Amino acid sequence: NAGVTQTPKFQVLKTGQSMTLQCAQDMNHEYMSWYRQDPGMGLRLIHYSVGAGITDQGEVPNGYNVSRSTTEDFPLRLLSAAPSQTSVYFCASSFGTGIGQPQHFGDGTRLSIL
Amino acid sequence: KQEVTQIPAALSVPEGENLVLNCSFTDSAIYNLQWFRQDPGKGLTSLLLIQSSQREQTSGRLNASLDKSSGRSTLYIAASQPGDSATYLCAVSSERETSGSRLTFGEGTQLTVNP
Repeated sequence: NAGVTQTPKFQVLKTGQSMTLQCAQDMNHEYMSWYRQDPGMGLRLIHYSVGAGITDQGEVPNGYNVSRSTTEDFPLRLLSAAPSQTSVYFCASSFGTGIGQPQHFGDGTRLSIL
Repeated sequence: KQEVTQIPAALSVPEGENLVLNCSFTDSAIYNLQWFRQDPGKGLTSLLLIQSSQREQTSGRLNASLDKSSGRSTLYIAASQPGDSATYLCAVSSERETSGSRLTFGEGTQLTVNP
């Protein structure tokens, strides 16, 4: 009954470092996405995927890469961390294209860039 | 561009009160509207999803309504309890959105229910 699992829960990085935020779901959902949540900005879409091998950009994709080699996993990579990327990151998944379907969120990764 | 607004930003009520949270959106061309609950330091828990063809959905003490033509939704919480204290987020999935089923979120209403 795991749902959407994100690791790590907390991370502190130095400017310029790279890292990968992990997201896994066990519901056989085709659609997966990444959001960031910032005070005063709400949640904004970074990247999304409608199935293995297919990814696309959302509203705020700069500085982030994604890949989707399996249905279950959708990692988010920060190439060269910047203080502006300090945020809470949420992964979400849903059936099919996601359109018209409820979206299920993980517990988030709280990331601080010094 | 779709915009979602939630009023009020914060609400404090005594236990037992019935209350209404409001959500408005600028573009009525939506697939659905979803209400979420977020506890401090936690993720988002889906409460109710209303398809664009529906008028309301109910789950326990929660009732969400949708007036698509006027761009409004309300979340009604009956007989509030301290355990209802959380931030409530409204999100819409827009037909004109090119990023798949991207959700556009409001900034939430922070609810505190006092014992």
